[in-house]
Amino acid sequence: DQQVKQNSPSLSVQEGRISILNCDYTNSMFDYFLWYKKYPAEGPTFLISISSIKDKNEDGRFTVFLNKSAKHLSLHIVPSQPGDSAVYFCAASGNYGQNFVFGPGTRLSVLP
Amino acid sequence: GAGVSQSPSNKVTEKGKDVELRCDPISGHTALYWYRQSLGQGLEFLIYFQGNSAPDKSGLPSDRFSAERTGGSVSTLTIQRTQQEDSAVYLCASSSGADYGYTFGSGTRLTVV
Repeated sequence: DQQVKQNSPSLSVQEGRISILNCDYTNSMFDYFLWYKKYPAEGPTFLISISSIKDKNEDGRFTVFLNKSAKHLSLHIVPSQPGDSAVYFCAASGNYGQNFVFGPGTRLSVLP
Repeated sequence: GAGVSQSPSNKVTEKGKDVELRCDPISGHTALYWYRQSLGQGLEFLIYFQGNSAPDKSGLPSDRFSAERTGGSVSTLTIQRTQQEDSAVYLCASSSGADYGYTFGSGTRLTVV
């Protein structure tokens, strides 16, 4: 049973538009969430995080929204750039710094 | 070092052979994790080391998998009697616990033929 779900395996967006990547989780004990970006042949790189005491965290073009009641978070990228094309993983933990559970990833393609 | 280093970057092995994958975490990082990513799949947790505590082995898929972390630094993931379903990218990550999230290495792509 997947505890962290990313139901869209892929997403295509036009350059300059908004990309919205979604993530749902089932474990109500999760209280810390991360987004990672992964290019081919490279390890995932940390993008942005949010803890359950917040509902929004922003870093430049990247904003993560958390809806605890719906057990849902989303990553917004505005404006999207071709270099953002990668696989994005959502990860959740109920114990900060330990055993993050990763979703299956969403492949984002930003079209020029 | 500046980042998490994994070796080898690629490994092709025959079914039934043993393999060892190495991870050099960032100096001073007390936490070390192994994950694997099979083709078309997400990141699957394997094992977690935190300081001198007993490792969390709950993600290891079978007793053919084992890992050590010597001196709180370098870690070796060993897969005995490899099977074709072990083919995956094996990723190591480390964390100081004070940072947000992990720093991942580039991974070892294991192919069992």
